[in-house]
Amino acid sequence: ELKVEQNPLFLSMQEGKNYTIYCNYSTTSDRLYWYRQDPGKSLESLFVLLSNGAVKQEGRLMASLDTKARLSTLHITAAVHDLSATYFCAVPLSGTYKYIFGTGTRLKVLA
Amino acid sequence: NAGVTQTPKFRVLKTGQSMTLLCAQDMNHEYMYWYRQDPGMGLRLIHYSVGEGTTAKGEVPDGYNVSRLKKQNFLLGLESAAPSQTSVYFCASSYRSDGDYGYTFGSGTRLTVV
Repeated sequence: ELKVEQNPLFLSMQEGKNYTIYCNYSTTSDRLYWYRQDPGKSLESLFVLLSNGAVKQEGRLMASLDTKARLSTLHITAAVHDLSATYFCAVPLSGTYKYIFGTGTRLKVLA
Repeated sequence: NAGVTQTPKFRVLKTGQSMTLLCAQDMNHEYMYWYRQDPGMGLRLIHYSVGEGTTAKGEVPDGYNVSRLKKQNFLLGLESAAPSQTSVYFCASSYRSDGDYGYTFGSGTRLTVV
């Protein structure tokens, strides 16, 4: 059974600081996805990581994938208030396009 | 380009009532999915479809039925609503190809069963 775990579940940080969110998964996968959800809103695709060693960056966010360690990281650089949201990682069941989602990391950036 | 559209956005049902949630996509995606989101549990897959006329069960299918009579539409039905089905429901769609862009999500339906 595929399990996807994120940590931390809650993160409160000051503007300008750096931090990393971790996503661990329990079975082999060569793909992983990151989504952002603002309160009361839908999920917005952030990153699609399709191979071991993949690294994607968008603004202050950078995501990476290590398929051997079954680990993805979402690194936040010099956080700003606009990054406050819940971040989800998702991993597809082997050979399918069915995703198993992590429980999410609720990020609050304090001014 | 509307993407994925869900209707209704909000609904309150009494226990035992039935309803249908509609998901429509205009991106010619082959795959469509219904998820529910509950606090502290992330998103859990209810049912999914890999093409017109086909459906399959996900992680939490009990109490729900689905139909995909047309490629662009995926319907989620609750035959006899229960308070445990109070949740936010998201529809998503995706391509079936190596051009993997991930899911496109609808805006969600907030359902309360009293």
